[in-house]
Amino acid sequence: DIQMTQSPSSLSVSMGDRVTITCQASQDISEHLNWYQHKPGTPPKLLIHDASNLPTGVPSRFSGSGSGTDFTFTITSLQPGDIATYYCQQFEKIPYTFGLGTKVEIK
Amino acid sequence: EVQLVQSGGGLVQPGGSLRLSCVASGYIFSSYWIHWVREAPGKGLEWVSRINSDGSSADYVESVKGRFTVSRDNAKNTAYLQMHSLRVEDTAVYYCARIGLAYFDFWGQGNMVIVSS
Repeated sequence: DIQMTQSPSSLSVSMGDRVTITCQASQDISEHLNWYQHKPGTPPKLLIHDASNLPTGVPSRFSGSGSGTDFTFTITSLQPGDIATYYCQQFEKIPYTFGLGTKVEIK
Repeated sequence: EVQLVQSGGGLVQPGGSLRLSCVASGYIFSSYWIHWVREAPGKGLEWVSRINSDGSSADYVESVKGRFTVSRDNAKNTAYLQMHSLRVEDTAVYYCARIGLAYFDFWGQGNMVIVSS
């Protein structure tokens, strides 16, 4: 199985801060990586697909980059509604593994 | 509007069985694969299973192989996750999700499954 190493596991930040999360795959996954936002009691929400593509309706403060084994997810200026847990997920091979998540909290 | 509405969760004893349902609306159900993802308490998301658009092919995470079966009835716009020999470690919120090109674009609301004596 492809292992996804996500860091950090948690972040304590202030509103307006820049947030950066990294995800490393155990093997080359090209750009077959998605990022999801998950809030308690609701299903996950897709924020970035294919490593760097923003779905329609997702604010431009969210972005992603990377290919191969190393990926980065960024929120340029944290807003109150961004408090959540963020996951990377590879779709190169079954099983479609997720990272362990990054919980973003208010400082 | 695309919707996935889940039902069938609950409390079951270890070794028991449960079936989850996922009813789709707002799109051509038979054109899309369906996946199941779970989140155990205090843990992250885990991909569980998938079924192709006509129901002829399915895949599973190793930990549920031989115990879980995914199926679908395209005439009823419904996907199912049949779970047997349930273990305490299967306790989780289970989500069904539609996969578009290569990402989960719509999700069910989630179903809690509690395996406990």
